[in-house]
Amino acid sequence: SQQGEEDPQALSIQEGENATMNCSYKTSINNLQWYRQNSGRGLVHLILIRSNEREKHSGRLRVTLDTSKKSSSLLITASRAADTASYFCASGGSNYKLTFGKGTLLTVNP
Amino acid sequence: DTEVTQTPKHLVMGMTNKKSLKCEQHMGHRAMYWYKQKAKKPPELMFVYSYEKLSINESVPSRFSPECPNSSLLNLHLHALQPEDSALYLCASSQVKSLRDTQYFGPGTRLTVL
Repeated sequence: SQQGEEDPQALSIQEGENATMNCSYKTSINNLQWYRQNSGRGLVHLILIRSNEREKHSGRLRVTLDTSKKSSSLLITASRAADTASYFCASGGSNYKLTFGKGTLLTVNP
Repeated sequence: DTEVTQTPKHLVMGMTNKKSLKCEQHMGHRAMYWYKQKAKKPPELMFVYSYEKLSINESVPSRFSPECPNSSLLNLHLHALQPEDSALYLCASSQVKSLRDTQYFGPGTRLTVL
């Protein structure tokens, strides 16, 4: 079963704006990951945050994790048209496999 | 080399056909995965191989038969599929020390069952 839920399901912004996507999960986790998927292609790993971390940065990406609320957010700053993709959170938990959320479709308009 | 390759990119097959999907990685990863992804849905785990042995089968119908002939290759044999099996099939690999850590995905095989 898919325990992650992304919010919003779809997001449309203008180039240069920031995009924020949220993810909630239900059970305890070892880590929370974010992946990007361009239309009909494979998933690309973006960033992994461990359960004992609260915030992590990678280039234009900022991820936060709140284990008390069982939620994470992904912020993409200064978005570009090339950031248009689906974004999935994936939780790594005690069952030793990843559980993917339903995804957010981000459209960045030029 | 951080690439996972999959062949073919597209596959159209009838319900009586037998076909195979192939996946290859040269990152030294000893865990490999098959996922199925329907349109606008997240990937669903099908199988996990760890050290070339099947470690997780997510109750996948027997018409899907995985095989891991060596540490770099993963196959998915298909037989007597149904139209509802049409989907994007993704292969992934990772370090085996923790199956829940970063996974590297291939571009997928788009399968259409007629």
